[in-house]
Amino acid sequence: ETGVTQTPRHLVMGMTNKKSLKCEQHLGHNAMYWYKQSAKKPLELMFVYNFKEQTENNSVPSRFSPECPNSSHLFLHLHTLQPEDSALYLCASSQDWTGGNTIYFGEGSWLTVV
Amino acid sequence: AQSVTQPDIHITVSEGASLELRCNYSYGATPYLFWYVQSPGQGLQLLLKYFSGDTLVQGIKGFEAEFKRSQSSFNLRKPSVHWSDAAEYFCAVGEPGGGNKLTFGTGTQLKVEL
Repeated sequence: ETGVTQTPRHLVMGMTNKKSLKCEQHLGHNAMYWYKQSAKKPLELMFVYNFKEQTENNSVPSRFSPECPNSSHLFLHLHTLQPEDSALYLCASSQDWTGGNTIYFGEGSWLTVV
Repeated sequence: AQSVTQPDIHITVSEGASLELRCNYSYGATPYLFWYVQSPGQGLQLLLKYFSGDTLVQGIKGFEAEFKRSQSSFNLRKPSVHWSDAAEYFCAVGEPGGGNKLTFGTGTQLKVEL
């Protein structure tokens, strides 16, 4: 079983749909992250939760709504997305938000907005 | 703000040849430095990291990287490349005392010719 598991691996949604991405980590970590990976652009940190509290929100549009019910689970709720939101969304975790902790990534959820 | 430059978008090497991937960063002090690898359809995996001390860092899969403060560089090397090393490689920097936020480069795609 991989340390960080993301579902679904692929998602196609219309601009008016509501969908959610799910992430679960089995590493006993306390910090969880959402990153966006677009072609030819650096990975963009979207949100960070540390001990279930949101620590970072990098000016992400409100059509992306994160939820962290406990330290092992992280969701990204998607609503009225735009085609430019099509990307690979990576979930990650680390021991906590302390700098230098190794960040472990999931395999990602490929999102296509049509 | 810190930034990371990976000047080579694509690199092709023959199997068995040596490899060097370049990474330059912009940051006022010595940052935390990381190299990650991403195989097709996979998440990112940490190869190695540097915080302080010995400037030559050994990682997994036979990779090493050298921190050169005077050049603001953290180049990744491998003496003999294997076909399975074909992947995308990302350099990243973290700010000591700035939480566990990483700034990533745009990546270098490595192709290995048999």
